Amino acid sequence: EDQVTQSPEALRLQEGESSSLNCSYTVSGLRGLFWYRQDPGKGPEFLFTLYSAGEEKEKERLKATLTKKESFLHITAPKPEDSATYLCALASGGYQKVTFGTGTKLQVIP
Amino acid sequence: EADIYQTPRYLVIGTGKKITLECSQTMGHDKMYWYQQDPGMELHLIHYSYGVNSTEKGDLSSESTVSRIRTEHFPLTLESARPSHTSQYLCASSEYSGGANTEAFFGQGTRLTVV
Repeated sequence: EDQVTQSPEALRLQEGESSSLNCSYTVSGLRGLFWYRQDPGKGPEFLFTLYSAGEEKEKERLKATLTKKESFLHITAPKPEDSATYLCALASGGYQKVTFGTGTKLQVIP
Repeated sequence: EADIYQTPRYLVIGTGKKITLECSQTMGHDKMYWYQQDPGMELHLIHYSYGVNSTEKGDLSSESTVSRIRTEHFPLTLESARPSHTSQYLCASSEYSGGANTEAFFGQGTRLTVV
């Protein structure tokens, strides 16, 4: 059975303090790993898709990387507006099943 | 910005009532999904569709039903609402590229409370 585990559950950073969020996974036949950002009371907003180990994607202060067992979302010099829950999801299987993690709730303090 | 819309945003309804949650997208995506999410918990897929006249049940057992008569419209119906149906319902869509998965675009969600 496909599994996605995100850590830590919650992370509190000072503005400018860089850190990384982890997404560990086990899957039979990875067809894509996705990172989303979700603000309270809203739907997830797409950030990145990674398809193969070694792949990296960047967007502003965020950088996502992928290995065969985990993905990292690196946040460089975060700002308060980066505060949100970050979700990892992986796609696998014949009908392109998508499994979501429970997320990391990030709080950036000014 | 994603062009996928859900109505209503919030709904409080009595037990036993029939409700329909609306979802529409203007991106021409073939694949559409309904997820259920409780506070602080992961998203669970309850229904999905590959295109017109295609509907499938997801991983989480649900008493709801869906229909896909038009590409852009994917409503979810509960015939008889119960307090256990209280949750946030998220609609999403994505391109259907055959082999590879593409990212999903989500609506703002409907927060349903059954009293």
